[in-house]
Amino acid sequence: RKEVEQDPGPFNVPEGATVAFNCTYSNSASQSFFWYRQDCRKEPKLLMSVYSSGNEDGRFTAQLNRASQYISLLIRDSKLSDSATYLCVVPSGNTPLVFGKGTRLSVIA
Amino acid sequence: EPEVTQTPSHQVTQMGQEVILRCVPISNHLYFYWYRQILGQKVEFLVSFYNNEISEKSEIFDDQFSVERPDGSNFTLKIRSTKLEDSAMYFCASSATDGTNEKLFFGSGTQLSVL
Repeated sequence: RKEVEQDPGPFNVPEGATVAFNCTYSNSASQSFFWYRQDCRKEPKLLMSVYSSGNEDGRFTAQLNRASQYISLLIRDSKLSDSATYLCVVPSGNTPLVFGKGTRLSVIA
Repeated sequence: EPEVTQTPSHQVTQMGQEVILRCVPISNHLYFYWYRQILGQKVEFLVSFYNNEISEKSEIFDDQFSVERPDGSNFTLKIRSTKLEDSAMYFCASSATDGTNEKLFFGSGTQLSVL
């Protein structure tokens, strides 16, 4: 299994829709997980951290399933400004952060 | 919010030339990193730096690469003899503690183009 694997995307959804992204990871010892957002040609920016079973911040919910080594990100009531690439990020061994390839989201008016 | 700053934003160089990418991490951070992203590909870890020495490096970070913290504020990445495949966006990042459990703050990147 690849270290961090994500839904390939792209996801094209209308405004107001709910969309979910999935991510699987290989390092069963990882204790913390992150979702970063990356706009085109920009730096990654932290969206959410997940240290236990899940985390919720407004329209965004992240869930963790350690048994299945699976993380998800749910976005409710999508906005045009949510259009970006969403990166699943997991520490792996001594490497600070290992990034997934990302899932591209386009929210359409 | 405090920022990591990187210069230059764009660097064009000829193959075989040396380049130095510069970064100013957030002032009270102790851990520093370089990542790169080739166009259309994922963000890849290059190296981490703590207490004035490399703490981890990836397979990408070969003998052509080096890092330095020449003074109390700057953190540099040097590529000695650039290759075409070094063309990428290079991101510097910093964190207050070990980045395995904490948010990394990324700079806005240096786009390196090797011709």
